Amino acid sequence: DAGVIQSPRHEVTEMGQEVTLRCKPISGHDYLFWYRQTMMRGLELLIYFNNNVPIDDSGMPEDRFSAKMPNASFSTLKIQPSEPRDSAVYFCASSPYRELNTEAFFGQGTRLTVV
Amino acid sequence: AQSVTQLGSHVSVSEGALVLLRCNYSSSVPPYLFWYVQYPNQGLQLLLKYTSAATLVKGINGFEAEFKKSETSFHLTKPSAHMSDAAEYFCAVSRGQGGSEKLVFGKGTKLTVNP
Repeated sequence: DAGVIQSPRHEVTEMGQEVTLRCKPISGHDYLFWYRQTMMRGLELLIYFNNNVPIDDSGMPEDRFSAKMPNASFSTLKIQPSEPRDSAVYFCASSPYRELNTEAFFGQGTRLTVV
Repeated sequence: AQSVTQLGSHVSVSEGALVLLRCNYSSSVPPYLFWYVQYPNQGLQLLLKYTSAATLVKGINGFEAEFKKSETSFHLTKPSAHMSDAAEYFCAVSRGQGGSEKLVFGKGTKLTVNP
């Protein structure tokens, strides 16, 4: 398996623009997680899905952030409008639900810079 | 709610020296604990996980961690550091109240290995 695939790897955009980050989880994984990593706050869980259904979006910072999972093989994280403080590395991870101690598998991340 | 605290945001050791990275957890139910490693510009990779089968857990690259319930700790160790161990290490916990499936990460510890 190719692992979790994120695109783009790098994104530079101007403040106010819409940004869409994409994720393809590992086939057969029931859970998908979106994390944001910054120097100040570390790794923060933004939202996670189970079988394409959002379970917990309490980590989504503002209404400017939205996430969708239209099918088992694709998810998007959208920021509209983007702001400089959204600059961070965004990770997608997926996990098969076997037991609660099953680990999550991470993608390479998307480095977002908002100028 | 579950949480982890990593003591020391930076740890520096000499090549060949013992590596000790500290992690304490907070959970009202038996936790599932993980250590991940992140190399520069990469995603997170699982080092090892605690599954309750054994308190001493061996992982990849010679790392191991011991679960101590009395101390609520899950410290990561390696007897002899190698230059290639330089990376950032994250402790994570899942399954807090309500059996949440989400992974909560510590702030991370950056390990530097000096020649």
